[in-house]
Amino acid sequence: SQTIHQWPATLVQPVGSPLSLECTVEGTSNPNLYWYRQAAGRGLQLLFYSVGIGQISSEVPQNLSASRPQDRQFILSSKKLLLSDSGFYLCAWSPPTDYSPLHFGNGTRLTVT
Amino acid sequence: GQNIDQPTEMTATEGAIVQINCTYQTSGFNGLFWYQQHAGEAPTFLSYNVLDGLEEKGRFSSFLSRSKGYSYLLLKELQMKDSASYLCAAMDSNYQLIWGAGTKLIIKP
Repeated sequence: SQTIHQWPATLVQPVGSPLSLECTVEGTSNPNLYWYRQAAGRGLQLLFYSVGIGQISSEVPQNLSASRPQDRQFILSSKKLLLSDSGFYLCAWSPPTDYSPLHFGNGTRLTVT
Repeated sequence: GQNIDQPTEMTATEGAIVQINCTYQTSGFNGLFWYQQHAGEAPTFLSYNVLDGLEEKGRFSSFLSRSKGYSYLLLKELQMKDSASYLCAAMDSNYQLIWGAGTKLIIKP
């Protein structure tokens, strides 16, 4: 069966510090991969998605970036965090087919101080 | 523009039935998803509708009317563990999900 791992679970970082969140998927090949952010009481905001190694689509211009160095690895990064980057970050995967539901990792609660 | 509307919060009683509505406007349509999200946790997939009608899965059912741009999630025999947010998401013509802000469901004994 497929599993998705996302870490860390919680993170407190000062403004201006770098960020690296990692997500890996097991039990499937060539998944679609996604990074979402959820602000408190708000809906899910798609940040990045990837349909293959090295292929990244950005949905929202910001100081975040994403990379997919391996088929089942997705990394969210920032060189300098802003206070507004605080939120709940979710990695998700779906099979490389249409109409498939997303399956989410456990999320990372990021607080920028 | 693309838009999803669902109520912000609903309250229901343990053992009762509740219906959570969702209306959508998207560029093209490739189906409607419902997710459950407990506080502080990740969303989990509940249901997918692409054809008109009712899909039943145990205590949960989901309905879709494509002509009306409308869906609902029906929860029967409510349990305290059903207290959560319920997210509606429509898939557009590019197979991208447009998410609603979620409906927080509060279950009272």
